[in-house]
Amino acid sequence: ETGVTQSPTHLIKTRGQQVTLRCSSQSGHNTVSWYQQALGQGPQFIFQYYREEENGRGNFPPRFSGLQFPNYSSELNVNALELDDSALYLCASSALGGGPSEQYFGPGTRLTVT
Amino acid sequence: AQSVTQPDIHITVSEGASLELRCNYSYGATPYLFWYVQSPGQGLQLLLKYFSGDTLVQGIKGFEAEFKRSQSSFNLRKPSVHWSDAAEYFCAVISNAGNMLTFGGGTRLMVKP
Repeated sequence: ETGVTQSPTHLIKTRGQQVTLRCSSQSGHNTVSWYQQALGQGPQFIFQYYREEENGRGNFPPRFSGLQFPNYSSELNVNALELDDSALYLCASSALGGGPSEQYFGPGTRLTVT
Repeated sequence: AQSVTQPDIHITVSEGASLELRCNYSYGATPYLFWYVQSPGQGLQLLLKYFSGDTLVQGIKGFEAEFKRSQSSFNLRKPSVHWSDAAEYFCAVISNAGNMLTFGGGTRLMVKP
């Protein structure tokens, strides 16, 4: 069974640029959630995708957007990067179906904005 | 809104000593509770979860946690800590309305030889 994978591992961008992060969900999972973890803090929920539709969103501006594909993999896009967007971005997959479920995390993408 | 508090930012214990990490939550309905562990620069690994039933739950790596509704707590315990347990530990709660995890700020565990 393949776990959750994310790419790239590290990324350096300049303020104002755009970035796309990728996530492959665990086999059998239909839901992907994205979290932002700033240094020294707990992860913060960005949004969740279930069957290719956004299924909940945290307190993040519209320049954070996402996609989920038919194979349940997902992308996180961030436009107009700001210095405060520097963080570890974590993707988690789960099998949603009528109730809460465990989320399994990937290793994360470390984004640095200069 | 739901919230999770981990009162201890740092904890240092000697190898072989017992461990208890505290977690308090604020949530109106029955919470679904989790403990995750994160090694430096890594993603989060699920240690254990509580959904319902027995309030003492067993997890991986010899960890256990006890749900106490009267105290709104879900403390993590381990009887004998190993040096490899040094990491950051996060308590989290999920609402039944969605599948969004709300995390505490984390507790960094250091283990002395």
